[in-house]
Amino acid sequence: EAQVTQNPRYLITVTGKKLTVTCSQNMNHEYMSWYRQDPGLGLRQIYYSMNVEVTDKGDVPEGYKVSRKEKRNFPLILESPSPNQTSLYFCASGIGRNLGDRSPLHFGNGTRLTVT
Amino acid sequence: QKEVEQDPGPLSVPEGAIVSLNCTYSNSAFQYFMWYRQYSRKGPELLMYTYSSGNKEDGRFTAQVDKSSKYISLFIRDSQPSDSATYLCAMSAGGYQKVTFGTGTKLQVIP
Repeated sequence: EAQVTQNPRYLITVTGKKLTVTCSQNMNHEYMSWYRQDPGLGLRQIYYSMNVEVTDKGDVPEGYKVSRKEKRNFPLILESPSPNQTSLYFCASGIGRNLGDRSPLHFGNGTRLTVT
Repeated sequence: QKEVEQDPGPLSVPEGAIVSLNCTYSNSAFQYFMWYRQYSRKGPELLMYTYSSGNKEDGRFTAQVDKSSKYISLFIRDSQPSDSATYLCAMSAGGYQKVTFGTGTKLQVIP
C-alpha cells in the first residue's frame, strides 16, 4: 500500500530534550516536506526537499532541522524543543514533477507533539 | 493579511443539504487550486484539483475557480454524514515547494 509513515504518532517531551520525528514514504517520491498545523494558522511549511541531499527552508524553519540522506526518509529534528513547538506535525511527499491531480501531495497521519 | 483566507466554521448542516465552502486569496500568481479533506486524527487527502479557472465536477463534488475575483468554492451535493471532516483549500503558483493552505473549514453533516 502506498503510504507516508510517521513515527511516533504522539510524543510528550520536556523543554530542551532533543527529539526526532521520522518520516518514510514507499512511493519513490522525489519531493518531501514537513508541515505544522495549529488552530487558526492552518498548515505551515517547515522544510522541504526536492531530492536526496537537497533541502530548503519553508515558512517557519526556526528551531527545526532536517536531512535527506535517502530518497524514502525525511526525519524532522528538534535539537532543543520549546513549548511554542507544541503542534500537530505532518510529513508529505509528492512525485516532484508538475503539481496536479495525478501527482498530489500525500500526507502521513500526523505526529502530535507536546513540549512542557 | 494572509495569502489565503478561509472561514473556519464550524458549519453544521442536515444530511442531504448542499454545502458551499469558500476561500479567497490575494496572490495573482496562483494557478493550481486544490481542496483537501481531513478526517479527525488523519492527514489531509486530495479531494479536488483544478488548474486555472473554471469548474470541475466529480460525483457529488464540484470545484469552482474565479480568478478575476480571486475566489474558489467547493460544493457538496446530497451531503452525507461521512462528509463530516475539515476541508482545506490549497493553492500554488506551480510547484510542490510552495503550496499555501487555508486554515480549514470544519463541516458536520447531521443524520
